[in-house]
Amino acid sequence: EAGVVQSPRYKIIEKKQPVAFWCNPISGHNTLYWYLQNLGQGPELLIRYENEEAVDDSQLPKDRFSAERLKGVDSTLKIQPAELGDSAVYLCASSPRGLGPEQFFGPGTRLTVL
Amino acid sequence: AQSVAQPEDQVNVAEGNPLTVKCTYSVSGNPYLFWYVQYPNRGLQFLLKYITGDNLVKGSYGFEAEFNKSQTSFHLKKPSALVSDSALYFCAVRAAGDYKLSFGAGTTVTVRA
Repeated sequence: EAGVVQSPRYKIIEKKQPVAFWCNPISGHNTLYWYLQNLGQGPELLIRYENEEAVDDSQLPKDRFSAERLKGVDSTLKIQPAELGDSAVYLCASSPRGLGPEQFFGPGTRLTVL
Repeated sequence: AQSVAQPEDQVNVAEGNPLTVKCTYSVSGNPYLFWYVQYPNRGLQFLLKYITGDNLVKGSYGFEAEFNKSQTSFHLKKPSALVSDSALYFCAVRAAGDYKLSFGAGTTVTVRA
């Protein structure tokens, strides 16, 4: 079974530039999550999707961050414009329907903003 | 609000010795508890979970964890550590009936040969 796929794995941009991250969840997983992981910390949820609907985006900084999950499969997370403090690892995870299953994580995208 | 505490930033053990990584949690209602491991430049890899039932949970790679409701703890254990167990370990909790997963800050485990 293929795992969660993310691209790119690494991205270096200058501040004020836009950037986008892509995620392909495990086939059949209805729930998709985007997390932010700062160095030395645990992941923090940015947004959760159930199929194509964003059901929890309370932690997403909507002034510069946006996300979409068209057709309820792949998802894209965008930052525009990027700030120095956005340097972090952005993790995507997915899980099957239901509250018991664990989340499966992708390898993440390491963003460096110069 | 729910939270997880991993009181040790680092744990160092010799290969072959038992390994324990501590975790305590706070959550409203019944907890769902998880352990994940993260290797350098890799995503989080699921090790084990407690949802209900037996307090001792066995997971991948010989790891186990014991749920203690009275102490609100979910410590990760391995009877005999390997050098390859060296990694960053995260404990996570969510409330039964909720999707929000809260992670601890992580514990770096170093197993020396």
